[in-house]
Amino acid sequence: GQSLEQPSEVTAVEGAIVQINCTYQTSGFYGLSWYQQHDGGAPTFLSYNGLDGLEETGRFSSFLSRSDSYGYLLLQELQMKDSASYFCAVRSSNDYKLSFGAGTTVTVRA
Amino acid sequence: NAGVTQTPKFRILKIGQSMTLQCAQDMNHNYMYWYRQDPGMGLKLIYYSVGAGITDKGEVPNGYNVSRSTTEDFPLRLELAAPSQTSVYFCASRGGSTGELFFGEGSRLTVL
Repeated sequence: GQSLEQPSEVTAVEGAIVQINCTYQTSGFYGLSWYQQHDGGAPTFLSYNGLDGLEETGRFSSFLSRSDSYGYLLLQELQMKDSASYFCAVRSSNDYKLSFGAGTTVTVRA
Repeated sequence: NAGVTQTPKFRILKIGQSMTLQCAQDMNHNYMYWYRQDPGMGLKLIYYSVGAGITDKGEVPNGYNVSRSTTEDFPLRLELAAPSQTSVYFCASRGGSTGELFFGEGSRLTVL
């Protein structure tokens, strides 16, 4: 089976930097993804790490360390519209399943 | 671009009733998924399919059934609805080298 752990809540002010950590346990690992979900909406894809290192997409970056079973999502120059839930998700080695963490609620304050 | 389309968006069922949640995608993706999301929680995988005619159970399949007769459609059947099945259901298809999931808008189901 698979399990993922991420903090339940983070609060920060506009313009700040937030890091959301994700640790995972899986019988087979293929890659780590991040999704954003606004209240009442559908999850949307943010980034994917298949190899160790940093992936940068605009204000958002994601990092993976396969040896540590650990990754993080970095949100820079926070904006009010970044208030949402963020989920890490593990892609399994059989390449079929994607299992999600419980999510981190990010609240951005003015 | 339609992407992934789910119907209905909202539904109220009585205990013991049955219904089918419809899901269709127009991106020619082989992989499709059904997740449920309870309030304040993450997404739990119910069933998935790797192509027409091939389906398999996820983490929480009890009380549900699926079929995949075409690449486009992946309906989810609820038999004998129970209050524990009150949830938001998301259908998704997978594409691209990153395995990005494209989600439908969700179907909000209440069982009373």
